[in-house]
Amino acid sequence: GQSLEQPSEVTAVEGAIVQINCTYQTSGFYGLSWYQQHDGGAPTFLSYNALDGLEETGRFSSFLSRSDSYGYLLLQELQMKDSASYFCAVRSGQNFVFGPGTRLSVLP
Amino acid sequence: DSGVTQTPKHLITATGQRVTLRCSPRSGDLSVYWYQQSLDQGLQFLIHYYNGEERAKGNILERFSAQQFPDLHSELNLSSLELGDSALYFCASSPPGRRGGTDTQYFGPGTRLTVL
Repeated sequence: GQSLEQPSEVTAVEGAIVQINCTYQTSGFYGLSWYQQHDGGAPTFLSYNALDGLEETGRFSSFLSRSDSYGYLLLQELQMKDSASYFCAVRSGQNFVFGPGTRLSVLP
Repeated sequence: DSGVTQTPKHLITATGQRVTLRCSPRSGDLSVYWYQQSLDQGLQFLIHYYNGEERAKGNILERFSAQQFPDLHSELNLSSLELGDSALYFCASSPPGRRGGTDTQYFGPGTRLTVL
């Protein structure tokens, strides 16, 4: 089967750095994606890692270690608008599996 | 705005009924995916279509079915509805790539289904 694990909640203050971890178990792994979802909104694509290492996109970075079946999303210079749920997702063949989501609360 | 459209935005119906949700992908995208998101739950992958053909099935109930038409829009049909089917239903599209789809998915605004 396929499964992903993420922390359920993370809290940080404005301007800080936060890391959201994701571990996965899947067959036929192609890559790890991250999505952001604000309450009542649709998921929005943030990043994708197919190879080991760090991908940087502005304030957000994503890391993957295929040997450890582990990845993380790093959010820097946190802003209030970053308060949302963050999902990691993997593709196994043509199936997509999303993690349970991590609710990030950014405090002033 | 992702470029993916879904109708209707809200749908209220009764148990036992049948509904159809509609999705139009972004221009140029050939893949359409359907997801179900129950209250405070993650996204459950239902089904994936690529250029009119079914490519993968996830946790889709037998009471649910979908299709993708020649103009690439897709419909998700939910029948014999139960209270537990109340959820947000998202569709997403992705640009063509290897193996019939890429990992960058663009989500529509969703259809909120309430079954009374």
